[in-house]
Amino acid sequence: GAGVSQSPSNKVTEKGKDVELRCDPISGHTALYWYRQRLGQGLEFLIYFQGNSAPDKSGLPSDRFSAERTGESVSTLTIQRTQQEDSAVYLCASSLSGISGYTFGSGTRLTVV
Amino acid sequence: QKEVEQNSGPLSVPEGAIASLNCTYSDRGSQSFFWYRQYSGKSPELIMFIYSNGDKEDGRFTAQLNKASQYVSLLIRDSQPSDSATYLCAVTIEGGYQKVTFGTGTKLQVIP
Repeated sequence: GAGVSQSPSNKVTEKGKDVELRCDPISGHTALYWYRQRLGQGLEFLIYFQGNSAPDKSGLPSDRFSAERTGESVSTLTIQRTQQEDSAVYLCASSLSGISGYTFGSGTRLTVV
Repeated sequence: QKEVEQNSGPLSVPEGAIASLNCTYSDRGSQSFFWYRQYSGKSPELIMFIYSNGDKEDGRFTAQLNKASQYVSLLIRDSQPSDSATYLCAVTIEGGYQKVTFGTGTKLQVIP
């Protein structure tokens, strides 16, 4: 596609429910990244994919968070048993390589009530 | 020490002035340096990247890199109110792959 597409754009969920966030990267971009941005805060790295493998999962905050990627395309970030502190904007980015910089999607704003 | 440090601001400049945004980084092996602009409620967008010591100009924007002093800066000439945003400095840290680490950003306010 022309850009990085994320869905849904907004998600309100009840505490304890599971949510799935989707990212469709730019076609041909082998690298894919997930970040979290809490209100008024900086970008918090979550996970990096190269193809469908995840060589760096160091930013996933707990075992409630998981992610997968199908080949060099769509990725899903799953948050199980959501907590209020999970409320944030979840940003996906893709790149040909890190040295070329990232293109970000418009994000998913997650609100846990 | 944070890997990438920026003054959070806000940095206020009058319209037409030069805005100077600074960033320092801790890893001497850092290779690539980026500036992203993030408008309130929007996602970051890449505006400049620089790999070599010195200056790189693109329109009203100039990125400056000094690897010996471990800082990178962004100058915005003829600042416009539309430049008001948070500017994120990002650096690739050596670690097997080109992982990008972001600073927390400097908020710029251009006063008409």
